[in-house]
Amino acid sequence: SQTIHQWPATLVQPVGSPLSLECTVEGTSNPNLYWYRQAAGRGLQLLFYSVGIGQISSEVPQNLSASRPQDRQFILSSKKLLLSDSGFYLCAWNLPGVNNSPLHFGNGTRLTVT
Amino acid sequence: AQKVTQAQTEISVVEKEDVTLDCVYETRDTTYYLFWYKQPPSGELVFLIRRNSFDEQNEISGRYSWNFQKSTSSFNFTITASQVVDSAVYFCALSPPSGSARQLTFGSGTQLTVLP
Repeated sequence: SQTIHQWPATLVQPVGSPLSLECTVEGTSNPNLYWYRQAAGRGLQLLFYSVGIGQISSEVPQNLSASRPQDRQFILSSKKLLLSDSGFYLCAWNLPGVNNSPLHFGNGTRLTVT
Repeated sequence: AQKVTQAQTEISVVEKEDVTLDCVYETRDTTYYLFWYKQPPSGELVFLIRRNSFDEQNEISGRYSWNFQKSTSSFNFTITASQVVDSAVYFCALSPPSGSARQLTFGSGTQLTVLP
C-alpha cells in the first residue's frame, strides 16, 4: 500500500532563517506531488506541483521554492523565512496520468516563524 | 472560473444527531468532478468521495451519504448518527474534467464538532 511521510511535524524558526521540509512517498512510482499551504482561515492554497524528477511548477509567486531530487521525494525550501510564511504545510500525491485522481495527504508541518 | 462555497463555517451537534454539511459550487464546465475531504485534528486530509457530474445518483457509505443536485449546483454531505470521531474540518472541492489536482478548487471548509 502507498504511504506518504512528511517531516518535521512542527517547526519554529526565526525570521531570516532557512527552511527545508521533506516529503516522501512509498508504494507507488512516478507520483504527482504537491505542496499546499493552509492558512489560519483553513483555506488550502496550492504552492507547487511536480509530475516528475526535476519538474516543478509554481502556482503562486512567493518566498518559497520546491525541488524533486528523487522520484518519490519532494522538498519545500526557503533561503530566508518571512513572518508571512507561517502556516500549515501539507504534502500530497496522486496517480499520474489519471484525471481527477484523488489526493493523498501527509500529516502536515506546522511552521511558526518568529 | 470555479468557485466552491461552504457557507457553514462551524457546526456543533450532539452525538447521535444527524448533520448535513452544505457545498455549493460554480463552474462553466458542463462536466466536472466533485470531492469531499475530511481533516481530523491530526492534520492530514483524508479523501472521502469523488463524484462525476454525469452521475447524479446519491451515494451512501455507512453513516455517510452525499446528495448531488445538479439543478442547484450543490453536493451536500450528511452524517447520520454522528459520533465524536466525526469531529473534523470537512472540505468540498471541484475540478474540471481534464484537471489534475492543480486545478482543484477547495471550499473554505466546515468545522464540525460532535459533542458527547
